[in-house]
Amino acid sequence: EVRLSDSGGGLVQPGGSLRLSCAASGFTFGTYGMTWVRQVPGKGLEWVSSISPTGSLTYYADSVKGRFTISRDNSNNTIQLQMDSLRAEDTALYYCVKDRGQLWHQFEYWGLGTLVTVSS
Amino acid sequence: DIQMTQSPSSLSAFVGDRITITCRSSQTIYTYLNWYQQKPGKAPKFLIYSASSLQSEVPSRFSASGSGTDFTLTISSLQPEDSATYYCQQSFRAPWTFGQGTKVEIK
Repeated sequence: EVRLSDSGGGLVQPGGSLRLSCAASGFTFGTYGMTWVRQVPGKGLEWVSSISPTGSLTYYADSVKGRFTISRDNSNNTIQLQMDSLRAEDTALYYCVKDRGQLWHQFEYWGLGTLVTVSS
Repeated sequence: DIQMTQSPSSLSAFVGDRITITCRSSQTIYTYLNWYQQKPGKAPKFLIYSASSLQSEVPSRFSASGSGTDFTLTISSLQPEDSATYYCQQSFRAPWTFGQGTKVEIK
């Protein structure tokens, strides 16, 4: 069974940093792309960042480029999202997502989400 | 960026009804179109990929079609557990964008 356990969310002041993590199990982690998608409560879905199976390719939404960094550790089956220079508009539920393939951007399995609140 | 527009934004139907949700992209995305279902307080669930392929264990009352810029998701016989918000998403080009969602309610 595929399991994605996302964690690391919390309350942070504007300009602050937060590091999200996602622990994966139930599949051959190093052969799938992984993605973070966020959702403001009550609103729609927004793609944030993706990483290829080896970590050699990364992609970012313009809204987070230069502030967020995605990475993965295939030896520990985890991905991370380092979030710096946080803004109020980054407040959202962040989902860790497994791709259906190497990086096809077909979002097959989702974690439960971790809530990030940016507020003073 | 490719804009994804869903219609209607919401609908209400009876159990057993056939319903259709439309998704339109601002430029051609061939069949790089996926559908998700999200129930309140839950993570989205992957339903359909590549415009018309049903994800495993998704009930056969769900079907989808389309190519180019116009796509549809159909539920042939609406069930109470289908009450949810449905999102389309293009996987053709970055940034990988979602529609605004269609809320389906049961009368």
